[in-house]
Amino acid sequence: DIQMTQSPSSLSASVGDRVTITCRASQAIRNDLGWYQQKPGKAPKRLIYAASSLQSGVPSRFSGSGSGTEFTLTITNLQPEDFAIYYCLQHNSYPLTFGPGTKVDIK
Amino acid sequence: EVQLVESGGGLIQPGGSLRLSCAASGFIVSNNYMSWVRQAPGKGLEWVSVIYSGGGTYYADSVKGRFTISRDSSKNTLYLQMNSLGVEDTAVYYCARDSSGPAYWGQGTLVTVSS
Repeated sequence: DIQMTQSPSSLSASVGDRVTITCRASQAIRNDLGWYQQKPGKAPKRLIYAASSLQSGVPSRFSGSGSGTEFTLTITNLQPEDFAIYYCLQHNSYPLTFGPGTKVDIK
Repeated sequence: EVQLVESGGGLIQPGGSLRLSCAASGFIVSNNYMSWVRQAPGKGLEWVSVIYSGGGTYYADSVKGRFTISRDSSKNTLYLQMNSLGVEDTAVYYCARDSSGPAYWGQGTLVTVSS
């Protein structure tokens, strides 16, 4: 199985900040990676697919990059509604595997 | 508009069985890869199972041999039959329509396994 790690596990940031979250795969997964946002009591929402493609309806302050084993999610100009937990997911091979999550909270 | 609505969750004793349903609208379930993903209380996301458009299935090791994913084309509904449930299966279960990974998610249904 492909293992996914994320760093940091949590971070504190202020409105307007630029935030970067890193996701690493235990083996190369091309660009078969998505990023998800989850708020308390809600279903996850996909933000990015294919490592760098923005899901329809998602604000352009979210962006993704990377391929192979290292990927990043960047949020520029952090907004109050962006405080949430972010997960990466590899869909290169089954079983699909999620990263452990990164909690973004208010400084 | 794509919509997914899960149902069937509840409180069940260890060793019991439960069938979850996921009613879909806005697309045809049998033409898509469909997944189940779960989340234990206060924990991260865990992928559980997929059914391919061709009907093949795949399971996480943690549920293999106990859970069965299926679909009913006439009802446009996805199912997850869960047998031999243990306390470790307590979670919110989400169904999702896959498109380069789970793209559209339902709101989830809570399964609590407890005596």
